[in-house]
Amino acid sequence: DSGVTQTPKHLITATGQRVTLRCSPRSGDLSVYWYQQSLDQGLQFLIHYYNGEERAKGNILERFSAQQFPDLHSELNLSSLELGDSALYFCASSPRRAHYNSPLHFGNGTRLTVT
Amino acid sequence: AQTVTQSQPEMSVQEAETVTLSCTYDTSESNYYLFWYKQPPSRQMILVIRQEAYKQQNATENRFSVNFQKAAKSFSLKISDSQLGDTAMYFCAFMKHAYSGAGSYQLTFGKGTKLSVIP
Repeated sequence: DSGVTQTPKHLITATGQRVTLRCSPRSGDLSVYWYQQSLDQGLQFLIHYYNGEERAKGNILERFSAQQFPDLHSELNLSSLELGDSALYFCASSPRRAHYNSPLHFGNGTRLTVT
Repeated sequence: AQTVTQSQPEMSVQEAETVTLSCTYDTSESNYYLFWYKQPPSRQMILVIRQEAYKQQNATENRFSVNFQKAAKSFSLKISDSQLGDTAMYFCAFMKHAYSGAGSYQLTFGKGTKLSVIP
């Protein structure tokens, strides 16, 4: 168990809808990262938050947004969903900013299916 | 931008045998980190082994070891005495050094190699 909790485990929704994915980092970890894993694109970095502030954006669509709250949990909001948004969404955390001695610890992911 | 290539989509190995998974990467950075992650059917991403680019000595973790060739930009993973529990997707990943500016702290992953250990 990595200590990173993601809810829900599975989510099925229709095109055009909006969903929120939740992540609770390991106790004491200040950094939260979101990654998307899809069959065609593989694993892609979406966004990084550190102690409540956005620090870096990757291949995140404008329809997607995220927040990190004062208690350090994070939410990833996906809106106007399309079939192509179906993927496994991972949250990962690290004590500060991830590096060699502070590698990422991943949650079990949320499987999103858009129908 | 960095790219990571895993040229073997699928591999299989007999239990107790040794297998090597390939990974090449492209970067203009001189210092960086490399990782191998394992994703079993439970889908959790588990860190297997890591290497700092400026360290010439190859990393080892029990049955797992790497062959890091910086000049060739190659980072292969060797699994010795393969076990059924090693069956998983294996991802090679690159991270820029902490003080390399934009893009630091982010992992760039390869497409993965699906490894099956056969009893």
